[in-house]
Amino acid sequence: DAKTTQPPSMDCAEGRAANLPCNHSTISGNEYVYWYRQIHSQGPQYIIHGLKNNETNEMASLIITEDRKSSTLILPHATLRDTAVYYCIVRAGTDSWGKLQFGAGTQVVVTP
Amino acid sequence: NAGVTQTPKFQVLKTGQSMTLQCAQDMNHEYMSWYRQDPGMGLRLIHYSVGAGITDQGEVPNGYNVSRSTTEDFPLRLLSAAPSQTSVYFCASSYSIWDGNTEAFFGQGTRLTVV
Repeated sequence: DAKTTQPPSMDCAEGRAANLPCNHSTISGNEYVYWYRQIHSQGPQYIIHGLKNNETNEMASLIITEDRKSSTLILPHATLRDTAVYYCIVRAGTDSWGKLQFGAGTQVVVTP
Repeated sequence: NAGVTQTPKFQVLKTGQSMTLQCAQDMNHEYMSWYRQDPGMGLRLIHYSVGAGITDQGEVPNGYNVSRSTTEDFPLRLLSAAPSQTSVYFCASSYSIWDGNTEAFFGQGTRLTVV
């Protein structure tokens, strides 16, 4: 699986949009981009994933650049409960869940 | 639909004791796995299974055993607990290991302390 690069931390004001960048310049054509978050040592929580097109669900939006070398997770209206470590992962099929590497992620702190 | 359920949530063991961490999922997922997470670190894979009767080692398998007799359950056994096994353990499941378009779901973790 391709490696990802994320900023180590970022702050966001409550009610504002949080834009979390991820660089995955070596991504392969069959690899999906996944986002998870981990709140205070709870189990990682799935947020969203995509291959080429932008995706949106009830939690967030995922914007993938046309060359697929980077992506941005958007939390449209951040709340205090969104304070967490956010992980960007790229994976294909085969046995890549078995070798899942979350890396260091981005620590997001939402402030009142 | 409970998702991935881990028991117990907390456990304290003495060095040399054995125990089993339980993991169950009700989503008919074929893939299940166990990870450990040490303070300030990422997840490290211990063992995984791609279906009933099939298991394989991950990155850090020593000191742990697994078996998968049913689709739903994937217990993790600590044979002789050591202080180095103090960690938070997460179980995860996914519909298919072979499809890049399927997400994994995680349990809420078991905090294990070995004294």
